[in-house]
Amino acid sequence: GAVVSQHPSWVICKSGTSVKIECRSLDFQATTMFWYRQFPKQSLMLMATSNEGSKATYEQGVEKDKFLINHASLTLSTLTVTSAHPEDSSFYICSAESFRGGTDTQYFGPGTRLTVL
Amino acid sequence: DAKTTQPTSMDCAEGRAANLPCNHSTISGNEYVYWYRQIHSQGPQYIIHGLKNNETNEMASLIITEDRKSSTLILPHATLRDTAVYYCIVRFNQAGTALIFGKGTTLSVSS
Repeated sequence: GAVVSQHPSWVICKSGTSVKIECRSLDFQATTMFWYRQFPKQSLMLMATSNEGSKATYEQGVEKDKFLINHASLTLSTLTVTSAHPEDSSFYICSAESFRGGTDTQYFGPGTRLTVL
Repeated sequence: DAKTTQPTSMDCAEGRAANLPCNHSTISGNEYVYWYRQIHSQGPQYIIHGLKNNETNEMASLIITEDRKSSTLILPHATLRDTAVYYCIVRFNQAGTALIFGKGTTLSVSS
């Protein structure tokens, strides 16, 4: 159990276009999902916290108008990178929070590699 | 969240136990210790977590010292597929609290 999927697994786009990444919890409901990005040879950096039915909370330095997050259901959150530029090229990873056995555990998707030309 | 300190890298022979240490000397009473690992170009994988008692599951064992200032993740019989970056993270057991990743330990398992 506790499977999280992401789509697409990789995407290449031209500078100035928008890209949407989907994150789904397949076998559990997640009130909260998180979005991270990871640059080569670096650790994961939290971008935003997404709560179902409400606005996302963004970390300092993350542009909310550039990285649009929608969490419309308990199993789906989307991240849209608007007007992408080469510096947005990165590995984007989502996680979904599952409450089991009295504690919260986050399960991660496989990641989406974005390359902006 | 409390910070953790982990060695940058460790080596382990295949079939031997891998013991990965983590220091979290400023951990507070209601913070849990979580372990994740990330194999190259994949999303992090949950391994185990605990509060103060030792924990074991099908993947690993977690040993937390009595004062909770440090812990050790034990992979009892390491295989080549266990080569990954291992992250030790402390986190409040509160819904909506994100995991904050440090640099982790790169474990290299060799034959």
